[in-house]
Amino acid sequence: EAGVVQSPRYKIIEKKQPVAFWCNPISGHNTLYWYLQNLGQGPELLIRYENEEAVDDSQLPKDRFSAERLKGVDSTLKIQPAELGDSAVYLCASSLGGPYSGANVLTFGAGSRLTVL
Amino acid sequence: GQQLNQSPQSMFIQEGEDVSMNCTSSSIFNTWLWYKQEPGEGPVLLIALYKAGELTSNGRLTAQFGITRKDSFLNISASIPSDVGIYFCAGLNGSGNTGKLIFGQGTTLQVKP
Repeated sequence: EAGVVQSPRYKIIEKKQPVAFWCNPISGHNTLYWYLQNLGQGPELLIRYENEEAVDDSQLPKDRFSAERLKGVDSTLKIQPAELGDSAVYLCASSLGGPYSGANVLTFGAGSRLTVL
Repeated sequence: GQQLNQSPQSMFIQEGEDVSMNCTSSSIFNTWLWYKQEPGEGPVLLIALYKAGELTSNGRLTAQFGITRKDSFLNISASIPSDVGIYFCAGLNGSGNTGKLIFGQGTTLQVKP
């Protein structure tokens, strides 16, 4: 079974440029998460989707970040414009169900490492 | 906001030694998860704990869900070089659509052959 697939694995951009990350979750997983991981820190939730619906986006900086999950499968996370402080690893994860569904174990992708110069 | 405090922050041990790390919080959690992350990869689940007092093993790994529901620990017995990585605890709280998985800051483990 294929795991959570993310691309690109690495991205280097100049500040004020836009960037987008793509995630393909495990087949059949209804819940998809985007996490931000700064160097030396644990992952922090940006947004959680249940199928197509963003059910928790309270931590997403909406002035520059946006996400979508069309058709409830793949998802993209966009930053426009990028700032120096956005340099981090962006992790996508998926699970069969939501946090209290009993099928809540997250499987993570390898992440997309962003460097903003 | 809620925080999980992991300790120690890092460990450098000799191969064959046992390792113990823990995670504490001022808040109650309903589920505790332990993940391991290797360089350039995403975190991989090691052990999931769902009930206060629960003790669960996975090979050389043993984790416990604290009775107070505010802490958890992970033990690794007879460490080997491939145990190297960053170990994260994560706690799940809230209910329904407000449930959120919160991660600790990680314990970095290095094993000397």
